[in-house]
Amino acid sequence: DAGVTQSPTHLIKTRGQHVTLRCSPISGHKSVSWYQQVLGQGPQFIFQYYEKEERGRGNFPDRFSARQFPNYSSELNVNALLLGDSALYLCASSPRQGLTEAFFGQGTRLTVV
Amino acid sequence: AQKVTQAQTEISVVEKEDVTLDCVYETRDTTYYLFWYKQPPSGELVFLIRRNSFDEQNEISGRYSWNFQKSTSSFNFTITASQVVDSAVYFCALLSGGSNYKLTFGKGTLLTVNP
Repeated sequence: DAGVTQSPTHLIKTRGQHVTLRCSPISGHKSVSWYQQVLGQGPQFIFQYYEKEERGRGNFPDRFSARQFPNYSSELNVNALLLGDSALYLCASSPRQGLTEAFFGQGTRLTVV
Repeated sequence: AQKVTQAQTEISVVEKEDVTLDCVYETRDTTYYLFWYKQPPSGELVFLIRRNSFDEQNEISGRYSWNFQKSTSSFNFTITASQVVDSAVYFCALLSGGSNYKLTFGKGTLLTVNP
């Protein structure tokens, strides 16, 4: 069975640009969560989507948005990129809204220059 | 509010040594879960263990063992006879009943096992 897949693996963007990151959850999982991991820190919660609805949002500016599609895949969008947005973005897949079982993808490493 | 503290930023040991990674958590919820994840250089978070707040029994899995003590709000992780392949960043995380949709992570401990 395929695990959680994220694309792209690496990405370099310029300040002010927009970026879209993608995540495909494990088959049968209906919850997708997004986390930002800045170098040297633990992952920070950004969003959770369950059954295509936003169920939780972390302390991130409105430049960050996300959505979940009917097939439960998800996109994370970041507008007006700042240097501080450079990070590893991790997607977590879970069968339920509660994250007692959460499986992570390999992440997308975003560099903003 | 939930909080996880991993006071050890970096630990370096020689192969075959035992090593313990510390984790202290804070939550007001009575129902919660604690996790340990391993993050190798590839970036993926690899699940190691989950404990719920009602089960304080210690657990052993091969060379790994976990000590959960509610009295001190700690959930420590011991690797016995460490190996070079154990080198990674280890994260402790908390999933609290009132916010069961998000994991709260500590800052991680970088473990380096030298041959």
